[in-house]
Amino acid sequence: DAEITQSPRHKITETGRQVTLACHQTWNHNNMFWYRQDLGHGLRLIHYSYGVHDTNKGEVSDGYSVSRSNTEDLPLTLESAASSQTSVYFCASSELISGEQYFGPGTRLTVT
Amino acid sequence: QQQVKQSPQSLIVQKGGISIINCAYENTAFDYFPWYQQFPGKGPALLIAIRPDVSEKKEGRFTISFNKSAKQFSLHIMDSQPGDSATYFCAASRAGKSTFGDGTTLTVKP
Repeated sequence: DAEITQSPRHKITETGRQVTLACHQTWNHNNMFWYRQDLGHGLRLIHYSYGVHDTNKGEVSDGYSVSRSNTEDLPLTLESAASSQTSVYFCASSELISGEQYFGPGTRLTVT
Repeated sequence: QQQVKQSPQSLIVQKGGISIINCAYENTAFDYFPWYQQFPGKGPALLIAIRPDVSEKKEGRFTISFNKSAKQFSLHIMDSQPGDSATYFCAASRAGKSTFGDGTTLTVKP
């Protein structure tokens, strides 16, 4: 069955370190998204991609970057982790640009 | 500026009752309005969705009512069950960019 996976599921890092969160989908979807979820804020869009080599900034992109070298993967990099980036991160993909998004299980990131 | 406002923040309903969650949006360019259900420790999963050319959509016990002129939409859960206890998010989407409400934690008491 097609799926979307994220790794690691839990990560503790120190302030200032570079961190990369992986997202891999086997749906063969062109559209992929990264969100962060904080208590009281729902899900906020960080970056998104409509296809290979395409990336776009979302609502809360400062301090994050993504690259899309193939259809299956959209890794999220925190260039210099800050305590404000402690959150749960979700990756999602969709077949249609405006359609159902399939979410991964999430990565809980703690920056100390 | 919050473009999608969701209420209530939490909701407690007795088993068999009706759960109603409301959302209001500001941007008239949104063209897709999904509701997602999220259980603790899991990612959100699509529950039901509607496009603005339809005023109501029903799937089993779940119904979306959509009022384009008022820029509001709501989720109704009929015959609520303890297994429906979860967090529900509305969203409004345009060109794939989704703006989510802050979520409603639903508790269905047996």
